[in-house]
Amino acid sequence: EAGVVQSPRYKIIEKKQPMAFWCNPISGHNTLYWYRQNLGQGPELLIRYENEEAVDDSQLPKDRFSAERLKGVDSTLKIQPAELGDSAVYLCASSLGLGTGYYEQYFGPGTRLTVT
Amino acid sequence: GIQVEQSPPDLILQEGANSTLRCNFSDSVNNLQWFHQNPWGQLINLFYIPSGTKQNGRLSATTVATERYSLLYISSSQTTDSGVYFCAVGESGNTPLVFGKGTRLSVIA
Repeated sequence: EAGVVQSPRYKIIEKKQPMAFWCNPISGHNTLYWYRQNLGQGPELLIRYENEEAVDDSQLPKDRFSAERLKGVDSTLKIQPAELGDSAVYLCASSLGLGTGYYEQYFGPGTRLTVT
Repeated sequence: GIQVEQSPPDLILQEGANSTLRCNFSDSVNNLQWFHQNPWGQLINLFYIPSGTKQNGRLSATTVATERYSLLYISSSQTTDSGVYFCAVGESGNTPLVFGKGTRLSVIA
């Protein structure tokens, strides 16, 4: 069974440029999460989707970040425009979903973003 | 929100030694996971253990939910065990994981 897939794996951009991250969760997983991990820290949530619906986006900086999961499968996270402080690893995770009683999350390999 | 504290922050072991990593959390949870983050940044699932005890090879974990802590045991450590170990908890349902700051383990030959 394939794990969570993310692309790109690495990206270097200049500040004020746009950036897009893509994630394909494990097949059959209804819940999708985007986390951000700064150097030396644990991951922190940006947004959570239950199917197509964003149900927890309080930590997403909405002035420059946006996300979508149009068909309830893969998802895109965007930054426009990027700032130096956005340099981090962006992680996507998925889990089976509400009502299953089993909440284990599985993470993709992440996208390491450097903003210069 | 819920707080997660891990100890020790750093640990250096000789190959073959045993170790215990601890995770304390401030509120009741229905999800607790242990991860190993390898040098390439990949978070590898070790245990999904909101309560009870589990073992997988040289690793085992115990969560005492009523006392709000979990322990990860590593026996006969190997150099490939090096990396950062994270404990992460979720309060209810499918809520996002809250991570501790991790324990950085270095196993030397």
